[in-house]
Amino acid sequence: SQTIHQWPATLVQPVGSPLSLECTVEGTSNPNLYWYRQAAGRGLQLLFYSVGIGQISSEVPQNLSASRPQDRQFILSSKKLLLSDSGFYLCAWSVLAANNSPLHFGNGTRLTVT
Amino acid sequence: GENVEQHPSTLSVQEGDSAVIKCTYSDSASNYFPWYKQELGKGPQLIIDIRSNVGEKKDQRIAVTLNKTAKHFSLHITETQPEDSAVYFCAAYSNYQLIWGAGTKLIIKP
Repeated sequence: SQTIHQWPATLVQPVGSPLSLECTVEGTSNPNLYWYRQAAGRGLQLLFYSVGIGQISSEVPQNLSASRPQDRQFILSSKKLLLSDSGFYLCAWSVLAANNSPLHFGNGTRLTVT
Repeated sequence: GENVEQHPSTLSVQEGDSAVIKCTYSDSASNYFPWYKQELGKGPQLIIDIRSNVGEKKDQRIAVTLNKTAKHFSLHITETQPEDSAVYFCAAYSNYQLIWGAGTKLIIKP
C-alpha cells in the first residue's frame, strides 16, 4: 500500500533562519507531488507541484522554493523565513492529475516563525 | 480565476440529524468537484466527488449535488454520527489545479 511521510510534525524557527521540510512517498512510482499551505480559516493554497524529478511548477511567488531530487521525495525550502511563512504545510501525492485521481495528504507540518 | 466560497464556516447539528454544506464557484469551465474531510492533526482525505456531467452522487450517508446553472454544489450528510465531526473542504478543478473553499467545521452534538 502507498504511504506518505512528512516531517517534522511541528517546527518553531526564528525569522531569517532557513527552512527544510521533507516529504517522501512509498509504494508508488512517478507520482504527482504537491506542497500546500493551510492558513487558519482559509482553504488550502497550492504552493508547488511536480510531475517528475527536477520538474517544479510554482503557483505563488514568495520566498519559498521546492525541489524533487528523487522520484518520491519532495522538499520545501527557504533561505530566510518571514513571519508570514507561519502556517500549516501539507504535502500530497496523486497518481494522475488532481481531477482524475484523489490527492493523498500527509499529516502536515505546523510551522511557527517567531 | 476561479473562486470558491464555502458556507457555513461552522455548523453544529444534533447527532442523528442531517448536515448540509454549500459551495459556489465562479469558473463555468470547472468540471470536477471533490469534497475532503480533515480530522484534527491529519491531512484532508477525499470522501466524495462529482463531475459536471452528473447532478447527484451518493455513497451511503454522504451525497453531493451539483447545479451547473447556478454554479453551486452541496455536501449532504444524513444520520450524523460523532465521527463525522471534522473540517470539510470543497474544491473545484480549474486551470489544472484544485481551488479550495475555506472549510466548514462540523460539530456533532451528543
